[in-house]
Amino acid sequence: NAGVTQTPKFRVLKTGQSMTLLCAQDMNHEYMYWYRQDPGMGLRLIHYSVGEGTTAKGEVPDGYNVSRLKKQNFLLGLESAAPSQTSVYFCASSFETGANVLTFGAGSRLTVL
Amino acid sequence: AQSVTQLDSHVSVSEGTPVLLRCNYSSSYSPSLFWYVQHPNKGLQLLLKYTSAATLVKGINGFEAEFKKSETSFHLTKPSAHMSDAAEYFCVVSDHAGGGNKLTFGTGTQLKVEL
Repeated sequence: NAGVTQTPKFRVLKTGQSMTLLCAQDMNHEYMYWYRQDPGMGLRLIHYSVGEGTTAKGEVPDGYNVSRLKKQNFLLGLESAAPSQTSVYFCASSFETGANVLTFGAGSRLTVL
Repeated sequence: AQSVTQLDSHVSVSEGTPVLLRCNYSSSYSPSLFWYVQHPNKGLQLLLKYTSAATLVKGINGFEAEFKKSETSFHLTKPSAHMSDAAEYFCVVSDHAGGGNKLTFGTGTQLKVEL
């Protein structure tokens, strides 16, 4: 009963380095999302996907790329990390559109020095 | 455009006393409203949701919320706080029938429960 699994849970990067966060869900959900959480700002949507092979920009997409090659996986990439990308990243998924109920992963804490 | 305002960034209560977390929303359409809870170092978990059915919504762990259209509010309440309720709570609004990309999160209310 894994739900949504994010790896890694913690990562420290230097400015300019690249990395990929992996999100995997085992609920056969069509929709997947990447959010970032910053103090006092709630959650902001970075990118999302409405199905395998599709991606779309959210509220704060700059500096990030995503891919959804398999239905169960949604990857978030940082090509050249910046200190402003220090944050906690959450992946979420949902089965349908109307209910908008999301299942969240436990988060990935990223620090960029 | 939709927005949500959580009126208190921090709330502190004693164990066994009532909890009130306030949320006001703005929406151009009939909104869906949600409360999520986040325990330390965990992901967000759905507490309850309102989607135009009964205005008083009951959720998990004894929480409930009342949708008041005239006041554009969706406050979260619990009659008696427990230590395990200490967490951060997010009010969320969606005024489209679309997917999760249409959600707007509040900035969160940190609930502290003291003995």
